[in-house]
Amino acid sequence: NAGVMQNPRHLVRRRGQEARLRCSPMKGHSHVYWYRQLPEEGLKFMVYLQKENIIDESGMPKERFSAEFPKEGPSILRIQQVVRGDSAAYFCASSPTATFEAFFGQGTRLTVV
Amino acid sequence: RKEVEQDPGPFNVPEGATVAFNCTYSNSASQSFFWYRQDCRKEPKLLMSVYSSGNEDGRFTAQLNRASQYISLLIRDSKLSDSATYLCVASRAAGNKLTFGGGTRVLVKP
Repeated sequence: NAGVMQNPRHLVRRRGQEARLRCSPMKGHSHVYWYRQLPEEGLKFMVYLQKENIIDESGMPKERFSAEFPKEGPSILRIQQVVRGDSAAYFCASSPTATFEAFFGQGTRLTVV
Repeated sequence: RKEVEQDPGPFNVPEGATVAFNCTYSNSASQSFFWYRQDCRKEPKLLMSVYSSGNEDGRFTAQLNRASQYISLLIRDSKLSDSATYLCVASRAAGNKLTFGGGTRVLVKP
């Protein structure tokens, strides 16, 4: 049973470009969480999704950020028109239910130049 | 007030010593609690769940105090490899997100 898979591991984008981060949850897990971690800071919740539904997006910036978890395929975190402040590690986690332990992927490190 | 709060540390611990630290949560509806460990620039890894009766896993003991709304983690016989940031997590009922504390940094020194 493969763990949570995130790709790419490293992503470099120029200011104004789009960044797409992918997360494939563990087999049997239908709950996906996205977190952002800035250098030397803690994990900040962004969005919580179940298949085809956004359950809680209270941590998502109102503009430029969107997330989806389609019926088939990975969850996608999309950042449009990236700015330098978007540079961070983005972690995805999955769990079988909302109150079971969540398991994290290795993260995508986004660098905006 | 943050929903989950932790002392950021660092806790400087001599090798072989015992260290304990707490995490407070503000939402009394929180039902599930976990401790994660995060090494520098790596993903958080589940250390242990925290049950109402408390639980122990080797050198690690977790306790839950619902009346005072905190959970604790105790590490006995600290090893150099225990140096990491320990993240406290709380979750409400099904359908709610996992909320992380800011982490407590532990440095075990020879």
